[in-house]
Amino acid sequence: DIQMTQSPASLSASLGETVTIQCRASEDIYSGLAWYQQKPGKSPQLLIYGASSLQDGVPSRFSGSGSGTQYSLKISSMQTEDEGVYFCQQGLKYPWTFGGGTKLELK
Amino acid sequence: QVKLQQSGAELVKPGASVKLSCKTSGYTFSTSYMSWFKQIPGQSIEWIGMIYAGDGGTGYNQKFKGKATLTVDTSSSTAYMDLSSLTTEDSAVYFCARGWLTIDYYFDYWGQGVMVTVSS
Repeated sequence: DIQMTQSPASLSASLGETVTIQCRASEDIYSGLAWYQQKPGKSPQLLIYGASSLQDGVPSRFSGSGSGTQYSLKISSMQTEDEGVYFCQQGLKYPWTFGGGTKLELK
Repeated sequence: QVKLQQSGAELVKPGASVKLSCKTSGYTFSTSYMSWFKQIPGQSIEWIGMIYAGDGGTGYNQKFKGKATLTVDTSSSTAYMDLSSLTTEDSAVYFCARGWLTIDYYFDYWGQGVMVTVSS
C-alpha cells in the first residue's frame, strides 16, 4: 500500500497569513493527489484533486502543487472558516490511502 | 443537488453485526461507485471498500475483508455496509462517499457519517 505522510501534525496561523501543509507519498503517485478539509463533527470536503485542480465552489485562496512524491496545499490568506483538519489522499493505486491529517487553528 | 444521507447512530454489543445505509439522490446511482470509510475520532481516514452500483461488483481493503460486506439496492438508490463480529476496535464513525474517477480516483460527495459504538 502507498503510505502518505503529512506535516506538520498541527499549526496555528493568524488571519491573513499564508499557510502551507506538506504531504509525502511512499512512492511516485504522478500527481494523483487530493486534499480534503474536515471540520469538527462533519464529513470531509474535497478541495483539490489531481494535485492542483480546484474543486468547484472552493475559494481561490486554496491551491495545490507538487509532483512525484512531494505535494503541498497552500492557503494564501488564512480565514476563520479555514480552521479544521486537512487530509491528503492518493488516488493512483488501490487501496486508496490518506495522510494522518494536519490540524489548522486560528492564532 | 447530490445528497448522501446515512442512517442514525448505532450502539451494538460485541459479537453482533450492524447494517449501515447510505441513501443517495441527485445523480445517477446505478452507474456510480460508492466507497465506505472508517474514522476513529481524532484519527485519520481508512478506506474500507467500494461497490459499483451497476453490477454490484466490489473491491475491499485487505484489512477489512471478512469484516465489511457492501451491497446496493438500485431501486432505492441506497448503498449498504454490513459490519460483522463487532469488537470495541470497530467503534468509529463510518462514512459513505461517491467515487469520482478522473485520471485518478477521488471522493467528491460524502454522507454525514454515522457513529457506531460497540459496547456491552
